[in-house]
Amino acid sequence: KQEVTQIPAALSVPEGENLVLNCSFTDSAIYNLQWFRQDPGKGLTSLLLIQSSQREQTSGRLNASLDKSSGRSTLYIAASQPGDSATYLCAVRAEETSGSRLTFGEGTQLTVNP
Amino acid sequence: KAGVTQTPRYLIKTRGQQVTLSCSPISGHRSVSWYQQTPGQGLQFLFEYFSETQRNKGNFPGRFSGRQFSNSRSEMNVSTLELGDSALYLCASSPTHSTDTQYFGPGTRLTVL
Repeated sequence: KQEVTQIPAALSVPEGENLVLNCSFTDSAIYNLQWFRQDPGKGLTSLLLIQSSQREQTSGRLNASLDKSSGRSTLYIAASQPGDSATYLCAVRAEETSGSRLTFGEGTQLTVNP
Repeated sequence: KAGVTQTPRYLIKTRGQQVTLSCSPISGHRSVSWYQQTPGQGLQFLFEYFSETQRNKGNFPGRFSGRQFSNSRSEMNVSTLELGDSALYLCASSPTHSTDTQYFGPGTRLTVL
């Protein structure tokens, strides 16, 4: 059974810092891994999707890497801003399941202080 | 393109009642998935529909059911509501393939009293 873990559970940093969020998964047989952002009480916003054949994806100040063999992914946020404050979730789509089912981690709650 | 829409946004029900939630996917998307989010359990997969057929189902009791219409809109129904069903219910859509990005709606906040 696929399990996804995110470390740390919470993170508080001053504005301008570069930071790394970690995600690990137990079964390396995945199709892809997706990073999401969730603001309080809101839905999920897709940030980056990494296919199993890819090593990394970049979007603006965000860079996500994937090491499928070791079951790890990192989300790097450069020059953090208060507007980056949110919960960040990673989710994997396992090969063992058909369809679009995602398995989520518990999330990292990020606070960027002005 | 308009995003994924969910109605209603908020619901308050009492134990024993039933509820129906609606999800309209992004135009052209044929896959719709439903998730339950609670503080204690996080995000858990309920089921997925593709071309009006249930393609995948999570580990939830039979009180939770769903369906998809020919226009890809989906509904989920929860019968005999329990206090523990209070949650944010999220719907996600994707085009077709397993490698596609999934896009989430704003969710329906269900409170069971």
